This record gives sequence, C-alpha cells and structure tokens, in this order.
Amino acid sequence: NAGVMQNPRHLVRRRGQEARLRCSPMKGHSHVYWYRQLPEEGLKFMVYLQKENIIDESGMPKERFSAEFPKEGPSILRIQQVVRGDSAAYFCASSPPDGGGNTEAFFGQGTRLTVV
Amino acid sequence: GDSVTQMEGPVTLSEEAFLTINCTYTATGYPSLFWYVQYPGEGLQLLLKATKADDKGSNKGFEATYRKETTSFHLEKGSVQVSDSAVYFCALRNSGAGSYQLTFGKGTKLSVIP
Repeated sequence: NAGVMQNPRHLVRRRGQEARLRCSPMKGHSHVYWYRQLPEEGLKFMVYLQKENIIDESGMPKERFSAEFPKEGPSILRIQQVVRGDSAAYFCASSPPDGGGNTEAFFGQGTRLTVV
Repeated sequence: GDSVTQMEGPVTLSEEAFLTINCTYTATGYPSLFWYVQYPGEGLQLLLKATKADDKGSNKGFEATYRKETTSFHLEKGSVQVSDSAVYFCALRNSGAGSYQLTFGKGTKLSVIP
C-alpha cells in the first residue's frame, strides 16, 4: 500500500508564474489536508478537502491560492502569481473516511517550492 | 486558540546520551497529543501519540506522557543514536470543531554525534 505521494518533490518558479502541487492520498483515504512549513517554522494548516468538496479553507491565503480534490485524480494545490514569500515546503496528508478525532493522518514527503 | 510550544533547538548530543525535548500546549477541550519526526529531506512520520491524560506513548525507544496538570508532553529517550538525528515536532489535535486540524510546534532539530 503506497503512502501519500506528492509531486514534484522540488519545484522552482520565477516570480509571477504559477505553481501546481499534486497529492495522491493513500489508497482508501478520502480526506486530504494541506499544510505549509515556512523556514524555521512548524507546519500550518491550510485546507481540508474531501472528494469534490472543500470542507475547511480557513488557513488558505485569501488571494492566489486554491485547492481542489476532484472525483478522479490527485488533489491539487495551485498558487498563482507566486512571490518569494511563497517559498516553503508544502505537505499533504490523508486520512480514511471519518474515524472520529483519533483518525491518524499520514503525511507525504512534501513539495519544496522555491520562488526565484 | 490552540498552541504548542516546544524547546528551541538545535540540540546536539553525543551518542548514548539521554534526550529530553520539552513540549507544552494550550488548548480548550481534551486534545490528542503527538510527536512527529522529520528526517532530512523527508516528510513527517508519526513517532508516538497519546489520546488522554496519563497515557504514555512509546515507539523506537522514545516515550512521552500526557500530563494534563502541567499541560505537557515531553519527549524522552534514554540512549540516542546517530540515526535519531532529525527534526522533532510536537503537535495537538483538539476534540472539538475542526478536530481534523493538527497544531504544530516550531520543531526541535536534534543532532547526535558519534
């Protein structure tokens, strides 16, 4: 059973370009979470999605950031018109259908975005 | 809101030394507590967890006890190895609304030298 797969592992974008980060959850998992880790910081929650639904996007910046988890295919975190401050590691986690508050989330290896 | 505070790093220890990484939390309700480990260039892996007061989580020689009275979840290991070199994150997940969200500390980098 493959773990949470994120790609690319490393992504370099120039200021103003778009960044697309992909996350395939573990088999059988229908919940996806995105976290951002800024340098020297802990991970911060961004968004929680279920298939075709955004459940909670309270941690997402209001502009330029969007996320989706379509019925088929991976979850996508999209950052438009990237700026240097977007440089960070973006982690995806997944969990199985609702098991209550004790359900463990499994993390991917992250995508390290560098904006030059 | 919920928060996690863990000791500043980096921490450098010799092999076989005793490790303590302090973690305290602020939360409403009855959170579950976690330690995650991030090896160089890798994602986060769950190291151990505790879901209620006085529970002890343990794995790979690491232990942490959920202390409600001191709102703490300190990570300990009796004898560290070079392979334990990593960044360790303390985290909580609350039991109320938004219980899927993990709140992380800033991380403590541990380097173990031979």
